[in-house]
Amino acid sequence: GNSVTQMEGPVTLSEEAFLTINCTYTATGYPSLFWYVQYPGEGLQLLLKATKADDKGSNKGFEATYRKETTSFHLEKGSVQVSDSAVYFCALYSGAGSYQLTFGKGTKLSVIP
Amino acid sequence: EPEVTQTPSHQVTQMGQEVILRCVPISNHLYFYWYRQILGQKVEFLVSFYNNEISEKSEIFDDQFSVERPDGSNFTLKIRSTKLEDSAMYFCASVGAFSYEQYFGPGTRLTVT
Repeated sequence: GNSVTQMEGPVTLSEEAFLTINCTYTATGYPSLFWYVQYPGEGLQLLLKATKADDKGSNKGFEATYRKETTSFHLEKGSVQVSDSAVYFCALYSGAGSYQLTFGKGTKLSVIP
Repeated sequence: EPEVTQTPSHQVTQMGQEVILRCVPISNHLYFYWYRQILGQKVEFLVSFYNNEISEKSEIFDDQFSVERPDGSNFTLKIRSTKLEDSAMYFCASVGAFSYEQYFGPGTRLTVT
């Protein structure tokens, strides 16, 4: 079956630090990959996505590249801000008529001034 | 911007009681989902719903669970006889006709005592 493994948190960084949150996956077929973000008190919001190998998803300064050879989709940001403090979820769906998302456990990021 | 809403934000119930969690998806969306997250664990898919019937369900979604779209706007999840292990955050999501992006609600925290 499908599975997503992401680095355990919490992660605490100083403002303007570089962020990496690792995500690896196991899936049948050719999955689409996502990063979702959850700000305090809110629902899960799609941050970025990639639908095929070597695609790079990007949004709000965050990037992730779909690496089929390493089955990875690591989230990066060059300079984090306090407003980036949230929980980040890596997820996939394998398509082929099934659009249920398989999530990782989530990584809580705290950015301090 | 349209958003998915869920009520209540927090529900406390006694073991064995029935609960109904309510969701109002985005108005022109056609596909609806329930997920749950037990504290400290992954977000897990429960069920998807399209055209007034269940299209997929996970092994978690047993006979104690049911879903309904009673009036064209609400989408409900009923748990007939709650167990302690049903304590979790429950998320509703919806998808539009020509997209695969799932829009999530803020969640309902269910506590079974």
